[in-house]
Amino acid sequence: AQSVTQPDIHITVSEGASLELRCNYSYGATPYLFWYVQSPGQGLQLLLKYFSGDTLVQGIKGFEAEFKRSQSSFNLRKPSVHWSDAAEYFCAVYGATNKLIFGTGTLLAVQP
Amino acid sequence: ETGVTQSPTHLIKTRGQQVTLRCSSQSGHNTVSWYQQALGQGPQFIFQYYREEENGRGNFPPRFSGLQFPNYSSELNVNALELDDSALYLCASSPSGSEADTQYFGPGTRLTVL
Repeated sequence: AQSVTQPDIHITVSEGASLELRCNYSYGATPYLFWYVQSPGQGLQLLLKYFSGDTLVQGIKGFEAEFKRSQSSFNLRKPSVHWSDAAEYFCAVYGATNKLIFGTGTLLAVQP
Repeated sequence: ETGVTQSPTHLIKTRGQQVTLRCSSQSGHNTVSWYQQALGQGPQFIFQYYREEENGRGNFPPRFSGLQFPNYSSELNVNALELDDSALYLCASSPSGSEADTQYFGPGTRLTVL
């Protein structure tokens, strides 16, 4: 079955520190992968997506993600976190029946 | 360019009632998907509409139904509300329903069932 796992429910980093959010997927074919961010009371905003080609994908707000087929992973990274990055982050894979399958999310807190 | 909008923002209903949630797609988009996001969870796919036809459905009972109109706006209807239907309901529009499309999300409707 298609699924997405985000092992870290909650992460706290200091402002200016680097960040890596983990995502593992289960999907038989070549996956279409996404990272979305959700601020409190808001909808989801797309950070970046991977369809094919270069396995290192650049997104908005200085985020990047690397697709590793051998590890079934699509981890999100940012070299220097800003206080405004505090939010919940969702990894998703495009599955059958035209649906996005989301992980349970990672809540990021940024301390000064 | 107008983004995806949803109404109402918040809604409170009682068990057994019926509710209709509305979504206006982003300009030029002919596909809309609906998701349910329970507290502390990721969004769960309810269904997708492409050019007014249902184009995929998740694991939700028939009391969850939808419509898409010629202007590509959409409604989500839920009958016989249950307490577990309390959630944030998100709609997302995309240009063509292709899996290569990005889905653009609205701000959601927060439904509380008492």
